[in-house]
Amino acid sequence: EAGVTQSPTHLIKTRGQQATLRCSPISGHTSVYWYQQALGLGLQFLLWYDEGEERNRGNFPPRFSGRQFPNYSSELNVNALELEDSALYLCASSLGAGSTEAFFGQGTRLTVV
Amino acid sequence: KQEVTQIPAALSVPEGENLVLNCSFTDSAIYNLQWFRQDPGKGLTSLLLIQSSQREQTSGRLNASLDKSSGRSTLYIAASQPGDSATYLCAVLKYSGGGADGLTFGKGTHLIIQP
Repeated sequence: EAGVTQSPTHLIKTRGQQATLRCSPISGHTSVYWYQQALGLGLQFLLWYDEGEERNRGNFPPRFSGRQFPNYSSELNVNALELEDSALYLCASSLGAGSTEAFFGQGTRLTVV
Repeated sequence: KQEVTQIPAALSVPEGENLVLNCSFTDSAIYNLQWFRQDPGKGLTSLLLIQSSQREQTSGRLNASLDKSSGRSTLYIAASQPGDSATYLCAVLKYSGGGADGLTFGKGTHLIIQP
């Protein structure tokens, strides 16, 4: 069974551009979470999607947005990129909201120059 | 606001030793606690999940305990091996208001097992 897959593996963008990151959850999982792991800051919760809707977001500005498609895959968009957005972006999926185990993908390394 | 602290930040031990990693959290109203392993530049691998009603979980050489009332969890690794070298992360799932906050992570314990 395939795990959580993310694409691309690496992404290099220029400050001010937009970045789009993609995530495919484990088959049968309806919840997708996005996390940012910036150097020295640890993992921080970004967004949670379940059944196609945004359920909650962390303490990030509105230029971080996303969506979940009918097949439960998800896209994270970061507009007006800043140097500080350089980080490893991790996607996780779970069976649904509640006390379920989260499974993570390998991440997308975003570098803003 | 939930805060998760992991001690020690780094640990280096000889192969074969048993070791304990510690995790503490400030808000005991959690749904579950999960331990992960992260290799350099990689994603997270789930090791153990403890529901809030449980006291411990075991998987192979790993044993995790949870004391929700005191806000503490420990990860016990028996007979450590060089392949155990990685960063170990503790995370708690807590709900607030009308939705989930997502997992709140500690900053991890960087573990090195010397051959």
